[in-house]
Amino acid sequence: QVHLVQSGAEVKKPGASVKVSCKASGYTFTGHYMHWVRQAPGQGLEWMGWINPNSGGTMFAPKFQGRVTMTRDTSMTTAYMELSRLSSDDTAVYYCTRGRQQQAPSDHWGQGTLVTVSS
Amino acid sequence: DIQMTQSPSTLPASVGDRVTISCRASRGVSNWLAWYQQVPGTAPKLLISDASTLHSGVPSRFSGSGSGTEFTLTISTLQPDDFATYYCQQYFTFPLTFGGGTKVEIK
Repeated sequence: QVHLVQSGAEVKKPGASVKVSCKASGYTFTGHYMHWVRQAPGQGLEWMGWINPNSGGTMFAPKFQGRVTMTRDTSMTTAYMELSRLSSDDTAVYYCTRGRQQQAPSDHWGQGTLVTVSS
Repeated sequence: DIQMTQSPSTLPASVGDRVTISCRASRGVSNWLAWYQQVPGTAPKLLISDASTLHSGVPSRFSGSGSGTEFTLTISTLQPDDFATYYCQQYFTFPLTFGGGTKVEIK
């Protein structure tokens, strides 16, 4: 059974960085892409980018280019998303999601990680 | 970016109703369209991919149709568990984009 388990909630100050982890199990980690999606409080869903766990290749939405980093540790079957230069607009729940390829729907989702940016 | 527009934004309905939600793309996305259901406080769940393919384990009362720029999600007979927010997503081109959501609420 596929499971994506994310790290716990974070509170950060403006200008800081946050790193969220996503531990995958129940499938071949390197056989599927990991996408990241966020949702601001009371708002809709926003796609941030993906990482190919096999090659480490990444692609990001233009909005996040230069501010987001996605990495993985294949030995730990864990993906990471780091967002820098945080502002209050980055307060959101961040989800890791599994996609069978670059352009694919997300068939499994992590439980979400709330990141709060506040001075 | 391809803009995805859902209507209505809120849909009052009763158990047993037939419910239809629309999603329009600003440019053609072929059938590269997914639908998700999100219950408050939980992560979204995939319902339908490729515009009309039911995801594993999803009840058959859910169906999807459309191609190009116009898509529809239909719930044939609304059940209590179906009161939630529904999102469409295009994965035809980058960046992947979602619709603004349709909240199905109790009438």
